[in-house]
Amino acid sequence: DQQVKQNSPSLSVQEGRISILNCDYTNSMFDYFLWYKKYPAEGPTFLISISSIKDKNEDGRFTVFLNKSAKHLSLHIVPSQPGDSAVYFCAASAQNNNDMRFGAGTRLTVKP
Amino acid sequence: ETGVTQTPRHLVMGMTNKKSLKCEQHLGHNAMYWYKQSAKKPLELMFVYNFKEQTENNSVPSRFSPECPNSSHLFLHLHTLQPEDSALYLCASSPALAGGDTQYFGPGTRLTVL
Repeated sequence: DQQVKQNSPSLSVQEGRISILNCDYTNSMFDYFLWYKKYPAEGPTFLISISSIKDKNEDGRFTVFLNKSAKHLSLHIVPSQPGDSAVYFCAASAQNNNDMRFGAGTRLTVKP
Repeated sequence: ETGVTQTPRHLVMGMTNKKSLKCEQHLGHNAMYWYKQSAKKPLELMFVYNFKEQTENNSVPSRFSPECPNSSHLFLHLHTLQPEDSALYLCASSPALAGGDTQYFGPGTRLTVL
């Protein structure tokens, strides 16, 4: 039972444009949502998170939006840079534990 | 050395071998995790340790045996594995087991079972 889904396995955007990565979840108990970024031959690194009491969190070029009623979150990167090319994982966990569920990832390619 | 380290980075083993994966975290965290990542699949949580005590085993076959001697070290002992166990094994740590605590990952061990 995949509780966190990233339906787009890949995304390609031009440098300077906006990248939008999407994630859907099914478990209404999830309270925390995180985005991780993974380069080849490295482990995932934390990028940005949001708790369920907020609908937006911004950190520099990265913004995460949460729509609880739709059980949907998205990561916006603007402007996109070639160094942003990586696999992005969406993850979610409930308040009472850190049993984090991950999506399958979206491979973002930013073309110069 | 900082962060979360894993050794070896690559491992090839036969189905009758016994090997161990090692993870060490230098972040002062109390919770540690083992994940498995197979090709094009989500990360799958295998085991969770909190203050050296195992708190979760996600129906992992007994051919995978974790060990956590202290809060900084985590091992995954492997024996009589199957080819389908070939995957990237990731270790992570977090300050506590509270929901939303950011998990910090090591670089992983790429395991190939022949």
